[in-house]
Amino acid sequence: EAGVTQSPRYAVLQEGQAVSFWCDPISGHDTLYWYQQPRDQGPQLLVYFRDEAVIDNSQLPSDRFSAVRPKGTNSTLKIQSAKQGDTATYLCASSFLGTKDTQYFGPGTRLLVL
Amino acid sequence: QQQVRQSPQSLTVWEGETAILNCSYENSAFDYFPWYQQFPGEGPALLISILSVSDKKEDGRFTIFFNKREKKLSLHIADSQPGDSATYFCAAMTNSAGNKLTFGIGTRVLVRP
Repeated sequence: EAGVTQSPRYAVLQEGQAVSFWCDPISGHDTLYWYQQPRDQGPQLLVYFRDEAVIDNSQLPSDRFSAVRPKGTNSTLKIQSAKQGDTATYLCASSFLGTKDTQYFGPGTRLLVL
Repeated sequence: QQQVRQSPQSLTVWEGETAILNCSYENSAFDYFPWYQQFPGEGPALLISILSVSDKKEDGRFTIFFNKREKKLSLHIADSQPGDSATYFCAAMTNSAGNKLTFGIGTRVLVRP
């Protein structure tokens, strides 16, 4: 069974540039999560979906960040105008049903904003 | 406000020793506590988890001890191996918050051969 895949693996931007991250969850997983993990910190949830619906995006900086999952499978996280403070690894995870189901993480996209 | 706290931030043990990682939390509604292991360049992976109705969970060399009254738990890694060198995250979830996991800052473990 293929795991969660993410692309690109690395991105380097100047402040003000835009960037998109792509995630392909494990087949059949209905729930998809995006986390931000700053260096030497734990993952912090940005947004999560059940199928195509946003369940919680309360921690997503809505003025510059957006996330979609139009068909309930793949997902895209976009930063419109990156800031140096956005430098972090962006992790995608997926799970199947229930509130205690294991979240399976992808390898992440490491973003550096200069 | 850090809802899940971990200590120490880093820990070095010799091969064969037991590594003890500590975690505490503030939210009494937390009822599920997974520990994730993360190697450099990889995403976290579930290692072991415990529900708040239990006070101990074992899986091979890994054991969680849970004290609900004190809101503390610990992960013991027995007979530590160099391959256990990684960062370990304590996380917590409450039923009322759906699938939202709150992670601690992590403990970086180095096992010296």
